[in-house]
Amino acid sequence: DAGVTQSPTHLIKTRGQQVTLRCSPKSGHDTVSWYQQALGQGPQFIFQYYEEEERQRGNFPDRFSGHQFPNYSSELNVNALLLGDSALYLCASSTPPGRGNSPLHFGNGTRLTVT
Amino acid sequence: GDSVTQMEGPVTLSEEAFLTINCTYTATGYPSLFWYVQYPGEGLQLLLKATKADDKGSNKGFEATYRKETTSFHLEKGSVQVSDSAVYFCALSPSGGADGLTFGKGTHLIIQP
Repeated sequence: DAGVTQSPTHLIKTRGQQVTLRCSPKSGHDTVSWYQQALGQGPQFIFQYYEEEERQRGNFPDRFSGHQFPNYSSELNVNALLLGDSALYLCASSTPPGRGNSPLHFGNGTRLTVT
Repeated sequence: GDSVTQMEGPVTLSEEAFLTINCTYTATGYPSLFWYVQYPGEGLQLLLKATKADDKGSNKGFEATYRKETTSFHLEKGSVQVSDSAVYFCALSPSGGADGLTFGKGTHLIIQP
């Protein structure tokens, strides 16, 4: 049973560029959440997707956007990259809030470095 | 807004020592509380959780009790092992836990043989 998979594992981009990160949820899960984890900090909630729509959003600017596909996989897009966007980006999957108490299952993350 | 505060690390202990990692929270209503663990090179894993006041979550010898009167959820283990070395995160969710979590900054635990 494959868990949450993320790609790529590492990425280096230049300030001002755009980046796309990808996530496949754990089998049986249909809800995907994205978190940003800066070095030495706890993860911060970016947004959550369910039924191909953004359901919740944390305190992140519009430069951060996402998408969920019919097969439940998801993308995180970040435009106009800043040096401060350098972080580990974590994807987590679950069943939707209100349908059971499924805990979040996290992937190993994508390490983004902006130079 | 919601917030979680946990003790700063790193915390260094000898094998078989008693462990406490403090966690306090600020939230409206009745959040669910969690401890996640991140082993080197791996993703976050749920260690234990509690969904209402006075609940005790437990797993792999770790325990934490949801104390609403002190807004705390301290993590304890009676006898730590070298394999427990990892970063531990306290977190809360306004509901059952499948929505956006608020995490603490993490506590790096180092167990020496």
